[in-house]
Amino acid sequence: AQSVSQHNHHVILSEAASLELGCNYSYGGTVNLFWYVQYPGQHLQLLLKYFSGDPLVKGIKGFEAEFIKSKFSFNLRKPSVQWSDTAEYFCAAGSGSARQLTFGSGTQLTVLP
Amino acid sequence: SQTIHQWPATLVQPVGSPLSLECTVEGTSNPNLYWYRQAAGRGLQLLFYSVGIGQISSEVPQNLSASRPQDRQFILSSKKLLLSDSGFYLCACMETRALSGRGSSPLHFGNGTRLTVT
Repeated sequence: AQSVSQHNHHVILSEAASLELGCNYSYGGTVNLFWYVQYPGQHLQLLLKYFSGDPLVKGIKGFEAEFIKSKFSFNLRKPSVQWSDTAEYFCAAGSGSARQLTFGSGTQLTVLP
Repeated sequence: SQTIHQWPATLVQPVGSPLSLECTVEGTSNPNLYWYRQAAGRGLQLLFYSVGIGQISSEVPQNLSASRPQDRQFILSSKKLLLSDSGFYLCACMETRALSGRGSSPLHFGNGTRLTVT
């Protein structure tokens, strides 16, 4: 069965620290990968997505993610976080023909000013 | 781009009462529609999805049901709420015109409904 794992439940960083949030997936065949962000009091928003091609994907607000097929991973990174990055981050995956996405359990990021 | 309207934003209902949450979509036609439940520390759980009017797929057997009476309307219902139905319910939309040959497209989410069953 398809699954997405986010092993970090809560990450606390100081401003300007570097960020890496882990995401591992278990999917057969072609996989499409996504990172969503939910800021406090707001709806879920797409941060970035990977379908094919360059495994290093650039998203909004300085985020990027790298698809490493051999490790079944799609980790989210940002070189220098800001207080405004405080939010919950969700990794999601869908197979090539799927009409639905499977979400990870989410990682709460708290950035201290 | 799509706009997803969900209401109400918050709802407090007694155990045993009925439920109806509505979701409507603007800016797209023939979308795939989804109901998710978000629980703290457990991510998003897919409850139902629909690929067309009257077509509902249930992912998790439970006390809830869904209906799609119109192309851009998706309703989540229950005849008798349980305490365990409390949670944050999200409606989401996926454009189908982007799907051909490319698999899953991004989901766009509504603002959600916080349901508390007392």
